[in-house]
Amino acid sequence: EVQLVQSGAEVKKSGESLKISCKGSGYIFSKYWIGWVRQMPGKGLEWMGNIYPGDSGARYSPSFQGQVTISADKSTSTAYVQWSSLKASDTAMYYCARRYTASKIDYWGQGTLVTVSS
Amino acid sequence: IVLTQSPGTLSLSPGERATISCRASQTVNNDYLAWYQHKAGQAPRLLIYAAASRAAGIPDRFSASGSGTGFTLTISRLVPEDSAVYYCHRYGGTPFTFGQGTKLEIK
Repeated sequence: EVQLVQSGAEVKKSGESLKISCKGSGYIFSKYWIGWVRQMPGKGLEWMGNIYPGDSGARYSPSFQGQVTISADKSTSTAYVQWSSLKASDTAMYYCARRYTASKIDYWGQGTLVTVSS
Repeated sequence: IVLTQSPGTLSLSPGERATISCRASQTVNNDYLAWYQHKAGQAPRLLIYAAASRAAGIPDRFSASGSGTGFTLTISRLVPEDSAVYYCHRYGGTPFTFGQGTKLEIK
């Protein structure tokens, strides 16, 4: 059974760093892209970017380029998104999602709630 | 590519039919357009991919059509558990995009 299990909720202060994770199981992790999707409170879904664990090649949506870093460790089947200096506006639910090359997202993680206080 | 959904909110009764539109600012190549159902506190659920193909386990009450720049999701014989936000999503070429969502309320 394919599963994407994300790390738990985080409460941080502005300026702090953060790295959240998404562990895949039930499939060959290195052969599927892992994407990250943001949902701010009361808002819709926003594509942040994705990574191909096979070669760690990451692509970012222009809105998120330079704001976050997406990485993956295929030895542990885990993808990450990290912030070096959080802002209150980073408060959101973050979902990881799996897709095959040139294909739709077929599995999602359960979401990680990040709360940043100023 | 910007995806614009309409309406923003839909309020219908059980048994009725919901129709949600998704318009793209440019042609969606290969009809790489998916629809997701998102309920509060849950992960989004894939309903439709390639514009009109139902995902595994999705009831045939959910159907979709369209090509190019115009796409439609239809949910027939509405039941209370269809209450959710529905998103269209373009994939296949980065950056991927989502529509802004349509909230479906079942009265």
